[in-house]
Amino acid sequence: KAGVTQTPRYLIKTRGQQVTLSCSPISGHRSVSWYQQTPGQGLQFLFEYFSETQRNKGNFPGRFSGRQFSNSRSEMNVSTLELGDSALYLCASSSGLAGGSDTQYFGPGTRLTVL
Amino acid sequence: AQTVTQSQPEMSVQEAETVTLSCTYDTSESDYYLFWYKQPPSRQMILVIRQEAYKQQNATENRFSVNFQKAAKSFSLKISDSQLGDAAMYFCAYRSEGWSNYQLIWGAGTKLIIKP
Repeated sequence: KAGVTQTPRYLIKTRGQQVTLSCSPISGHRSVSWYQQTPGQGLQFLFEYFSETQRNKGNFPGRFSGRQFSNSRSEMNVSTLELGDSALYLCASSSGLAGGSDTQYFGPGTRLTVL
Repeated sequence: AQTVTQSQPEMSVQEAETVTLSCTYDTSESDYYLFWYKQPPSRQMILVIRQEAYKQQNATENRFSVNFQKAAKSFSLKISDSQLGDAAMYFCAYRSEGWSNYQLIWGAGTKLIIKP
């Protein structure tokens, strides 16, 4: 099976712009989670989508949003970019059916730099 | 709220020797899952090992094993016969049972250096 793919791998934007990141999960997986990784804050959960519905949400402002399509692919959008949004954004795929024991498989990440 | 603490920012070990990475967590829940993930310089997060809290037996995956002490809320990772390819950041993570709190809660990570 192909792994989790994320596009683009690198992105440079300026403050005030918006950005969309994409994640394609492992075939058959219906859950996609997004995490933000920064040197200062570490790894933080953004949100999780299952069957096109947001099922869980972390503590991020409304500028961070996402969606999931019928083929389970997910997109994450950040509007009005701030310098502090510079980070590695990781997408994780899982079956979505096994509760807490559900193993999450991660993509290579998208490195976003905001200038 | 649950928290995960990794008190060792960096560890180093000689190739072929054994190293133990520490992790403690705080929770009031009785059912949960604990994970160790590895993040090499490529930045891809890779699952190393998983432990179910209801299992008393410590999980083992080849050269990787854990020491899970539920009462002490401790979850350490032992790497035997360390190899150069083991060099990476190692993250300990916690997840609750069920779907209402599905997120992984992460420690700050431990950078593992392997000396040839």
